[in-house]
Amino acid sequence: NAGVTQTPKFQVLKTGQSMTLQCAQDMNHEYMSWYRQDPGMGLRLIHYSVGAGITDQGEVPNGYNVSRSTTEDFPLRLLSAAPSQTSVYFCASSLMWPGQTYEQYFGPGTRLTVT
Amino acid sequence: KNQVEQSPQSLIILEGKNCTLQCNYTVSPFSNLRWYKQDTGRGPVSLTIMTFSENTKSNGRYTATLDADTKQSSLHITASQLSDSASYICVVSEYDNLFFGTGTRLTVIP
Repeated sequence: NAGVTQTPKFQVLKTGQSMTLQCAQDMNHEYMSWYRQDPGMGLRLIHYSVGAGITDQGEVPNGYNVSRSTTEDFPLRLLSAAPSQTSVYFCASSLMWPGQTYEQYFGPGTRLTVT
Repeated sequence: KNQVEQSPQSLIILEGKNCTLQCNYTVSPFSNLRWYKQDTGRGPVSLTIMTFSENTKSNGRYTATLDADTKQSSLHITASQLSDSASYICVVSEYDNLFFGTGTRLTVIP
């Protein structure tokens, strides 16, 4: 199993550009989520999905869109990049909602810089 | 307000020594508490998950303790190795949300 994979690993965008961060998992997990990690702050939830076709907002959803057309894939779209979106982005998956005791697996991260 | 606070922010220890990291939380109602290890440039990896009824759990040289009455947890690392250099993140779950601490940055020096 590859686990959770993310592409690209690094990305530099200009303000106003759009892009999609890719995330895929091969563990047949229902729950997938996107976090951002900023210096001095804990991981913050952007969007999550409890299954194909179902998505919902997390703590910091503004400026981001998601979709879940398959169980395996959960892309994160930046609509119009802003310098405040400079961060490291992590995708995670778990069998079910990790608020229970299900193990949550994180991808390797995408480091995004917006200039 | 639900919060997770970790201490110290950073720690430097000599290889072979033991250390203990702290996590205090105000999250309620409590579902479970997790410790993650995050190597530089990588995603977090789970070390332990503890529910309300568990007060200690081990994973190799890592031992986590939980006192649900005082809302405190600790992660004890025994006989540290250079590969233990990483950030350690405490995550507390209530039933609808996960609350992440800001982590303790551990550096093990030879």
